[in-house]
This record gives sequence, structure tokens and C-alpha cells, in this order.
Amino acid sequence: QKEVEQNSGPLSVPEGAIASLNCTYSDRVSQSFFWYRQYSGKSPELIMSIYSNGDKEDGRFTAQLNKASQYVSLLIRDSQPSDSATYLCAALNNAGNMLTFGGGTRLMVKP
Amino acid sequence: EAGVTQFPSHSVIEKGQTVTLRCDPISGHDNLYWYRRVMGKEIKFLLHFVKESKQDESGMPNNRFLAERTGGTYSTLKVQPAELEDSGVYFCASSRYLNEKLFFGSGTQLSVL
Repeated sequence: QKEVEQNSGPLSVPEGAIASLNCTYSDRVSQSFFWYRQYSGKSPELIMSIYSNGDKEDGRFTAQLNKASQYVSLLIRDSQPSDSATYLCAALNNAGNMLTFGGGTRLMVKP
Repeated sequence: EAGVTQFPSHSVIEKGQTVTLRCDPISGHDNLYWYRRVMGKEIKFLLHFVKESKQDESGMPNNRFLAERTGGTYSTLKVQPAELEDSGVYFCASSRYLNEKLFFGSGTQLSVL
């Protein structure tokens, strides 16, 4: 079993819709979780971090964490074509120095 | 403020050759990390420097890989001799403190033929 799992997609949504990206993790020790966005050929860019159970909102982005179910999600409201990218879920180890990444979900927002 | 820069952006070498990748972290960032993504796989941790010291090199695949960070500034990652399975994208990242946002470079695409 992979430590951090994501559906590779592509996830296709129409412009203006809500995109829902999901991630599960296997290590119960992980406490901190991150969502990175990566455009093709570019560096991963941090868009959200979440440490506590529940929801965290930042603009059009909402991260959700459920530690009991070992589940992290990212919602993107009012999706725009510029949101089309690969979204990477990552868990941070307890030492705080190592991210374990999922394989990424490719999101396509169609005009 | 300059971001994390990596050089070269692309490298194509033959099996058995040596390649050295360079990473310049953001100024003042003591923590420097190397990650890589091989074809079809997830981005995986290689190692972590704090200043010039290797804090964690548990992700280094074998002794053909050597990372250095002399003076605690830029870092190099040498692969010698390169094998076909070393092909992938090598990312460098830096942060000022642990548990802080990582800034990634745009990566070096390494192709071993």
C-alpha cells in the first residue's frame, strides 16, 4: 500500500464548478498535510496546509482533514481554466523534515 | 527575493557517465532538501541538509549518489556512475526552519541513455 494515495485522474470539470480532489494516507503518525499545485514543467507550489481535523478555507480553496478516516481533500470553488494543473497531496513526518507525496491528480478545467 | 534555482534544467548523459546537479536555495534558508521523481512514480525524498550538515539521507538510493553542501550555501548532487533508472526529475527545495513552507526549484530533468 502506498503511504499517500491519490487518483491520478484526469479530473475534468467545467469552468465555474467545484473541483474535489481527494487523498488518503496510511501513516497515522502524520500530523501535517499539504496540497501543492504543479504546472507542467514547473516547480510544485504550496497552496494549502492543514494540521487539524476539519476545514480550512483560503479564498477559493478549502482543505479538509479527517484523521480518523485518514483522509485529506481539497475543494476548489469557481474553478478556472488557470487551475488546470497537477495537484499533489503530501504528508509531513514527525521529524518535520520529510514530505511523502502522492502521485498527484491532474485537474482539467474546461472553458 | 530570488527563488530556489537549479542548474542545469535538463541533462542528457550516457549510462556510466557522471552528472552533477546544483541547487541554490533561497538566501538565509538553512534547510535544503533534495527530492526526485522517476517516471510514473511519486516525488520521493532523498535527503535533508541543515546548513552544511546532512540531517537525514535515508532516501538516497545507493552509494552512486553523493550530495554536498559546502559552506551551507548551495548544494550539489553527483551521480557517479549514472544508470538508466536514475532518469527522472530532481527537485531541490529549501526552508528557513523545519515544519515551514518548502519552496521548490523547477527541477533538473535527467535523462540517462
